[in-house]
Amino acid sequence: ETGVTQSPTHLIKTRGQQVTLRCSSQSGHNTVSWYQQALGQGPQFIFQYYREEENGRGNFPPRFSGLQFPNYSSELNVNALELDDSALYLCASSRGQGVGNNSPLHFGNGTRLTVT
Amino acid sequence: DQQVKQNSPSLSVQEGRISILNCDYTNSMFDYFLWYKKYPAEGPTFLISISSIKDKNEDGRFTVFLNKSAKHLSLHIVPSQPGDSAVYFCAASSSGNTPLVFGKGTRLSVIA
Repeated sequence: ETGVTQSPTHLIKTRGQQVTLRCSSQSGHNTVSWYQQALGQGPQFIFQYYREEENGRGNFPPRFSGLQFPNYSSELNVNALELDDSALYLCASSRGQGVGNNSPLHFGNGTRLTVT
Repeated sequence: DQQVKQNSPSLSVQEGRISILNCDYTNSMFDYFLWYKKYPAEGPTFLISISSIKDKNEDGRFTVFLNKSAKHLSLHIVPSQPGDSAVYFCAASSSGNTPLVFGKGTRLSVIA
């Protein structure tokens, strides 16, 4: 069973640039969530995609956007990068939208984004 | 305003002893709680969960206790092993659905 994979692992961008992060969900999982983990903080929910539709969003501005593809892989796009966007970006997949024992969120190893 | 709080940033325990990690929450709508473990350079890994209809859930060396009236849960690891050294995140959800709301984490160090 292939786990959640994210690319790239590290990325350095300049303020004002745009970035795209990619995620392949675990086999059999149709829901993808993105989280931002700033230094010293817990992961914070950005948004979730289920069957290619965004169906939940956290407190993040519209310059954070995403896509989910028919194979359930996903992208996170961030426009007009700011210094505070520097963080670890985690993708998580699950079967359906529940978080019960039978379908906990499975996280990838994350993409470390540094904005200079 | 933090809805899930882990007030101890770090904890050191001797190998073989019990580790107790604590978590408090403020949102009464939370009814499902999870613990995740995170090693450096890896994503969080699901450890154990508990529904609000229970007050205890056990899985091997790991036990989670839930006190709904106090809005408090704790994770007990016994006996603690050096491989348990990691950051532990408490997370909560409403109606057992995503999204998860995470605490800031507690770094556990198990000393041999």
